[in-house]
Parts: sequence; structure tokens; C-alpha cells
Amino acid sequence: QKEVEQNSGPLSVPEGAIASLNCTYSDRGSQSFFWYRQYSGKSPELIMSIYSNGDKEDGRFTAQLNKASQYVSLLIRDSQPSDSATYLCAVNGYSGAGSYQLTFGKGTKLSVIP
Amino acid sequence: NAGVTQTPKFQVLKTGQSMTLQCAQDMNHNSMYWYRQDPGMGLRLIYYSASEGTTDKGEVPNGYNVSRLNKREFSLRLESAAPSQTSVYFCASSKAPDRMGEKLFFGSGTQLSVL
Repeated sequence: QKEVEQNSGPLSVPEGAIASLNCTYSDRGSQSFFWYRQYSGKSPELIMSIYSNGDKEDGRFTAQLNKASQYVSLLIRDSQPSDSATYLCAVNGYSGAGSYQLTFGKGTKLSVIP
Repeated sequence: NAGVTQTPKFQVLKTGQSMTLQCAQDMNHNSMYWYRQDPGMGLRLIYYSASEGTTDKGEVPNGYNVSRLNKREFSLRLESAAPSQTSVYFCASSKAPDRMGEKLFFGSGTQLSVL
């Protein structure tokens, strides 16, 4: 059973601070990693993907990957109240018969306090 | 551009009743998925269809059946609903994922309550 672990939170940060969200995974063969954002009552939407060790930056978001430690993180700089949402870590893995599928973590709820 | 459309948005069932959740995508995607989301449990895969004509079980398939009607449509059926199936259900689609994965596009969700 492939596992993806996240701290469920809630994580509260003041507006303008850096929010740090963490994720660990069990499948050493995984090659691709994703962060989805889900606002309350809405469906998830993809905000970041990362495939190589190191950092990947997109605006205020930075994804970090360390395959040796089986660890993925998402940093949100200059956090805004509009960033308040649940962040889902997802890991792509082989599911057999030539198929791949995502395994999602339980999500971390982030609250940005004005 | 509609993307992924699922119906209904809300449904209340009595224990033992049956129903079908409908999902359609207009992005010419090969793969389609049904997830359920429960508080504190994240998204769990019920069934998926890697391509037209194929379906496979996911993590939590018991109590459900699916039909990939054509490339656009993927339905989820509850034959005899149980209170444990109270959840929010999401349909999703993607291009055919390989080892590098593919972006999932989600429908707006169905809130199902089984009394």
C-alpha cells in the first residue's frame, strides 16, 4: 500500500509570512509529485508539479523535492488570506498493467490570518 | 469550455436505495477516475478507467460499480447504498498518465448522504 503522509494541521500563519507544508511518501520508485489546492466546498486544482531533486519556483510558490529522504514540501511566500485552503500532496506511482495513478495525502489545512 | 461535468450536485438516499452518478468530460482525455473524500481521509480512489473499454479497482471499490460508456462518459453506481457511503464524490479526468504523471481535472463534486 503506497502511503503519502501530511500533517493535517490546521496550520495558521500571519499574513505576509512564509507557510511551509510538508509531505512524505513510501514508494521509492515514484518519479513525479504534485501539490493540489482545495478551497472549502470546491474541487482540487493543481498548483505545482515537481520531478527532480531540488527547488522549483512559480511566483510565490516553491516546491522542494528530496527523493533520498522521500520528502516533498511546498513553501508559500508572502502568504495571503486567499491562500487559506487545504493543500493536498499527491505522488504518482506504478499501479500495475502499465498504469500509473496518483496517491493523495490527507491534506494540510492552511489558515492565513490577516 | 465545460471541462468535467458531474451530476447530481447533491443527493439524499435511504439505506438500500440505488443511484448512478454521471460524469462527462469534453477534453478528449483517455483516463477517468472516481474519488471519494471524507473528512480527515483525503481523496481515495474508488475506480478508474485508464482508457476507453477498461476499468480497474482503486483503493476503496467495495459497494460500487462503474461503466466507461464511451471516451467522454464514466458513471459510478451504488447498487445498495449504505450510510458508510455518505461522502463527497469527485470525478476526474486526465491524459493517459505515464511515470511522469498527468494533471487531473476535477468535476465540481457530488455531496451524497445516505440515511
